[in-house]
Amino acid sequence: QVQLVQSGAEVRKPGASVKVSCKTSGYTFTTYAIHWVRRAPGQRPEWMGWINAANGNTEYSQRFQGRVTFTRDTSATTAYMELSSLRSEDTAIYYCAGDSLAADGQFFDYWGQGTLVTVSS
Amino acid sequence: EVVLTQSPGTLSLSPGERATLSCRASQGVKYSYLAWYQQKPGQAPRLLIYGVSSRATGIPDRFSGSGSGTDFTLTISRLEPEDFAVYYCQQYGTSSTFGPGTKVDIK
Repeated sequence: QVQLVQSGAEVRKPGASVKVSCKTSGYTFTTYAIHWVRRAPGQRPEWMGWINAANGNTEYSQRFQGRVTFTRDTSATTAYMELSSLRSEDTAIYYCAGDSLAADGQFFDYWGQGTLVTVSS
Repeated sequence: EVVLTQSPGTLSLSPGERATLSCRASQGVKYSYLAWYQQKPGQAPRLLIYGVSSRATGIPDRFSGSGSGTDFTLTISRLEPEDFAVYYCQQYGTSSTFGPGTKVDIK
């Protein structure tokens, strides 16, 4: 079965960076895009952008442009999200989510379990 | 940005009752690209509906979606105990945005 397993919780100081991994299994890695969505406490989910696992092309939400980087390792069937210049408002649960490249539109069939990132001095 | 508003914020119902959840967009959702997700505490969201009315794989037929333009509805025909959760709508026609959620709790 399809699984997306994320790395564990992280604590960072303001100004630091964090890198979250999303290990996938149960499907052909290059047939899906991986999106990143975060949910801060009391807030609605927020889409951060996506990476095409087949060719590595990325698209970033304007809100995070310049601060976030998505990469993938096809041999490890793993996607990564790195967020820099962290501030307290970045405290949130970060999710990776899979979207079939063959589907009509970008909705998220599969989700990782979430990674809590806490930014605190 | 397409802003989604969901109502009500909380819906208190009993098992067996019908639930009607609303999602309204600040502008028309392109291509009918509207999805619904269910999320329970400590769990990842689960895709229920995509393309306004198509049920995702394995989703029971008590869940149905409808609507067009700016107004969309998720209906749960008869609530089962496992349906008490938070429901989010997402539009993916213009970038991607989510609504704030509707919590369905037990009356």
